[in-house]
Amino acid sequence: QVQLVESGGGLVKPGGSLRLSCTASGFAFSDYYMSWVRQAPGKGLEWLSYIDGDSSFINYADSVKGRFTISRDNAENSLYLQMNSLRAEDTGTYYCARPTVAYGDPFDYWGRGVQVTVSS
Amino acid sequence: EIVLTQSPDTLSLSPGERVTLSCRASQTVSSTYLGWYQQKPGQAPRLLIYGTSSRATGIPDRFSGSGSGTDFTLTISRLEPEDFAVYYCQQYGSSPMYTFGQGTKLEIK
Repeated sequence: QVQLVESGGGLVKPGGSLRLSCTASGFAFSDYYMSWVRQAPGKGLEWLSYIDGDSSFINYADSVKGRFTISRDNAENSLYLQMNSLRAEDTGTYYCARPTVAYGDPFDYWGRGVQVTVSS
Repeated sequence: EIVLTQSPDTLSLSPGERVTLSCRASQTVSSTYLGWYQQKPGQAPRLLIYGTSSRATGIPDRFSGSGSGTDFTLTISRLEPEDFAVYYCQQYGSSPMYTFGQGTKLEIK
């Protein structure tokens, strides 16, 4: 069955960096777009970024453009989110999500999420 | 960026009631690219409806979606206790930047 497991979260100071990972299993990872979505404490969902199967098509939300970088390693069935210049407002739960297949498909599988806290 | 505005923010209802949630877009959204998710506390979101009106796998038929252009709705025909949760609409292709609505919380009266 499809599984997405996030890791790499934790406590980081403002201005610091963190790299999140999402390990996928149960499907042909390289065939699928992947996305990151976050949720601030007590708030709604915010889409952050997507990447296509061969890393040639990438997009970001304005709130993270220039600070976050999405990438993937298909040999390792892994998705990454490099987060730099972190701010307090980046605090939240970060989910990786898989669409049905590609761009223009809804997210039918989600990981359980990983917590990121940005605080001094 | 397409802004999605959901209304109301919170609804207090009783099991057995019928409810309609609204999602209004700041510009036209193709019906192909509008979906709804349910999220319960401490859980990841779950896809309910995609393509405006298609139910995702395993979603009971008391959930239905409709709409076009800038106005979309999610209807739950008869609320079950497990339906009390937060519901989000999402556009995932009418604009290169996907967006979610701010959510509607369905609480038990």
